[in-house]
Amino acid sequence: GQNIDQPTEMTATEGAIVQINCTYQTSGFNGLFWYQQHAGEAPTFLSYNVLDGLEEKGRFSSFLSRSKGYSYLLLKELQMKDSASYLCAGLMNTGFQKLVFGTGTRLLVSP
Amino acid sequence: DAGVTQSPTHLIKTRGQHVTLRCSPISGHKSVSWYQQVLGQGPQFIFQYYEKEERGRGNFPDRFSARQFPNYSSELNVNALLLGDSALYLCASSLGGATEAFFGQGTRLTVV
Repeated sequence: GQNIDQPTEMTATEGAIVQINCTYQTSGFNGLFWYQQHAGEAPTFLSYNVLDGLEEKGRFSSFLSRSKGYSYLLLKELQMKDSASYLCAGLMNTGFQKLVFGTGTRLLVSP
Repeated sequence: DAGVTQSPTHLIKTRGQHVTLRCSPISGHKSVSWYQQVLGQGPQFIFQYYEKEERGRGNFPDRFSARQFPNYSSELNVNALLLGDSALYLCASSLGGATEAFFGQGTRLTVV
């Protein structure tokens, strides 16, 4: 199978740092995406990691370890507007490329 | 530049009916993928089209079909609707494959 696992829900307070973990089966994956999705809206692109290591983009950073099948999204200086679902998606190549999504992690930021 | 546009944004249908959902990709993007997102779940891959050819299909019944037109826009058709087809249907476009796919706002389909 092509399992992507991430926690269902997390809570954090405004101004804090939160790390959302994602694990996946390594076979066939060519990279790892993170998307943000507010309730009732479409996913919006946050990051794409194809090589091991940390990618930093403002308040958001994403890490990938291909050998361990592990990624995380780090959100710093949390704001109320960061309350959303965060989707981890593996780029799967089986003759064509498709995204395989986890169920998403719902993050609730409280004052 | 316009992003990925989908129509309609909301739709209510009754069981057994047929539905057609439409998607216009970002200008210059030749690949369109369709995803179904049931409430509380991540999107599930349905189809991918590139240069008007189907490149891949997910684990969905034959009631689901799609096509891509010469202008790279796409339609998703679902026949004999079931209550379980109620979901947000997302279209994603990219230059090729799924690399850096950009999503439309989705079509919220409710089957009653």
